[in-house]
Amino acid sequence: AQKITQTQPGMFVQEKEAVTLDCTYDTSDQSYGLFWYKQPSSGEMIFLIYQGSYDEQNATEGRYSLNFQKARKSANLVISASQLGDSAMYFCAMRATGTASKLTFGTGTRLQVTL
Amino acid sequence: GAVVSQHPSRVICKSGTSVKIECRSLDFQATTMFWYRQFPKQSLMLMATSNEGSKATYEQGVEKDKFLINHASLTLSTLTVTSAHPEDSSFYICSARTVNTIYFGEGSWLTVV
Repeated sequence: AQKITQTQPGMFVQEKEAVTLDCTYDTSDQSYGLFWYKQPSSGEMIFLIYQGSYDEQNATEGRYSLNFQKARKSANLVISASQLGDSAMYFCAMRATGTASKLTFGTGTRLQVTL
Repeated sequence: GAVVSQHPSRVICKSGTSVKIECRSLDFQATTMFWYRQFPKQSLMLMATSNEGSKATYEQGVEKDKFLINHASLTLSTLTVTSAHPEDSSFYICSARTVNTIYFGEGSWLTVV
């Protein structure tokens, strides 16, 4: 069974600063994928970034980067130069091999960007 | 733009009635789609896997007769909440996989009164 743990229920960051959202995972699979999604108050789930377990380099997408430490089983999301529009819930999720596209989600972190 | 479209975004129905939510993949075929439910301030919980041309696979504890899933084409999956009760009020959201990643629909807020 897979498990995703997000230990930060809420985070505050000042505008233009960088913030790291923590995510650890547990799986016995060798091949898996890690995702981060942003959920604003409207409810939609916005895909941010993906990291495959065999990817040697950390994934980056614009202001988002994923700090992937396989040995520690962590996949932290780093948001650089925070903007007010970044305020939302952020979910870490994992897809394991053989589960097609079934995702296991963490409990989420609510990020609040302040002036 | 959106690659997965969900409709309706908000629906209010009376207790005892049924309501259908549609999930469409735009510009790509999705043999498998997923339906999730999210309670306020909680994470997404997988309800079922929708398989094109075959029966859906339900997660443990999800009533298949209550939540009917039909995946009649490669671009459309529907979730029908039958005989809805107020406790079925929730946020329902679907997902589908493209070549590169997994996208979600916009979600549907269901309120049963």
